[in-house]
Amino acid sequence: DVKVTQSSRYLVKRTGEKVFLECVQDMDHENMFWYRQDPGLGLRLIYFSYDVKMKEKGDIPEGYSVSREKKERFSLILESASTNQTSMYLCASSSLDWSSYNEQFFGPGTRLTVL
Amino acid sequence: DAKTTQPNSMESNEEEPVHLPCNHSTISGTDYIHWYRQLPSQGPEYVIHGLTSNVNNRMASLAIAEDRKSSTLILHRATLRDAAVYYCILITGNQFYFGTGTSLTVIP
Repeated sequence: DVKVTQSSRYLVKRTGEKVFLECVQDMDHENMFWYRQDPGLGLRLIYFSYDVKMKEKGDIPEGYSVSREKKERFSLILESASTNQTSMYLCASSSLDWSSYNEQFFGPGTRLTVL
Repeated sequence: DAKTTQPNSMESNEEEPVHLPCNHSTISGTDYIHWYRQLPSQGPEYVIHGLTSNVNNRMASLAIAEDRKSSTLILHRATLRDAAVYYCILITGNQFYFGTGTSLTVIP
């Protein structure tokens, strides 16, 4: 059974803290993605990665950074958390294989609250 | 600019067909149309996708307008387990553009 796991389901942090959200996939996928989901705004892409040590900005990268040191792991970093980063964060992965038709597999999400 | 437009919510009676519409008037020739759904407290999951022709799979059918500016996801017999938010997405390369989705309520 394919799987994308995220390090925490719920997380509470204080303003100014450095926050790490971890995502691991066991499907040997090349692509990995970080989204945030807010009511009325749907899912918005923060960053994605095509390969180890590669990263590309999505639609809303401000205030975030990412790290991909190993193929299976993609980390989202909030250097100095702010209250407007309170949100649901979703990680996804997909294969470069053309036959996979770019299907993305999502993790269960991390609900982050910044106080 | 929104790439897809969907109604915020829809209701259906159990065991009846459901037609979920999506407008994507700015679609380009190489954009694929994907549908995902998100059950409560879960991440989105793939439902179906298409480019130009109508598509069927075990979960649903996808009807794509001839000009490709709109599409409709068809659930042939809604069940309570189909209650979810349904997203119509345009795929450009590896990037997904999610709309805000349609929240489907299934009435027993």
